[in-house]
Amino acid sequence: DAMVIQNPRYQVTQFGKPVTLSCSQTLNHNVMYWYQQKSSQAPKLLFHYYDKDFNNEADTPDNFQSRRPNTSFCFLDIRSPGLGDAAMYLCATSRDRQGANEQFFGPGTRLTVL
Amino acid sequence: DAKTTQPTSMDCAEGRAANLPCNHSTISGNEYVYWYRQIHSQGPQYIIHGLKNNETNEMASLIITEDRKSSTLILPHATLRDTAVYYCIVRVGGNFGNEKLTFGTGTRLTIIP
Repeated sequence: DAMVIQNPRYQVTQFGKPVTLSCSQTLNHNVMYWYQQKSSQAPKLLFHYYDKDFNNEADTPDNFQSRRPNTSFCFLDIRSPGLGDAAMYLCATSRDRQGANEQFFGPGTRLTVL
Repeated sequence: DAKTTQPTSMDCAEGRAANLPCNHSTISGNEYVYWYRQIHSQGPQYIIHGLKNNETNEMASLIITEDRKSSTLILPHATLRDTAVYYCIVRVGGNFGNEKLTFGTGTRLTIIP
């Protein structure tokens, strides 16, 4: 089945140690998104790629970066994780960003910062 | 995107219809109403969306009032697996679409056996 895959499901890192989360999709969608969801809060968009075009949200900290080497893969890099970055990180895709396009979410990666 | 207001929590008996309301009184003419849900420890799941007309799919029905200022998501025969947080989101569609889904606080629906 076509899907959005996130690895790993659980990631533990140390304070200040760079960490990379990965997302892949078999849907061949043009758009890939990264959301952050802290405990008991709603998901919050960090940035998205429309094809190779990177679009950052205005309030996303510089500590968060992203790469999309090809259509199928997208990575979230946290350069120096702080305790406040502990959260569920959700990857999503959509066929396009215009029109009424639904987003398909992966299962998420839960990040713990020690 | 227009803001939405949803009840914080609701209970529904298993097998009954669950009716989840959403107010979006500042909705614009080109904004769609979307519903997503998030089961505990999973990613959000798309349910349904609509612009003006009522919509139905295999998961749910969406009833939008004529003035479009509110809507109701209906799960016709709720099961325990429908226990989740349900998000009502208003988002611009069309050729000038805004790619952002802005999640509100949602409604925590609990299905009671």
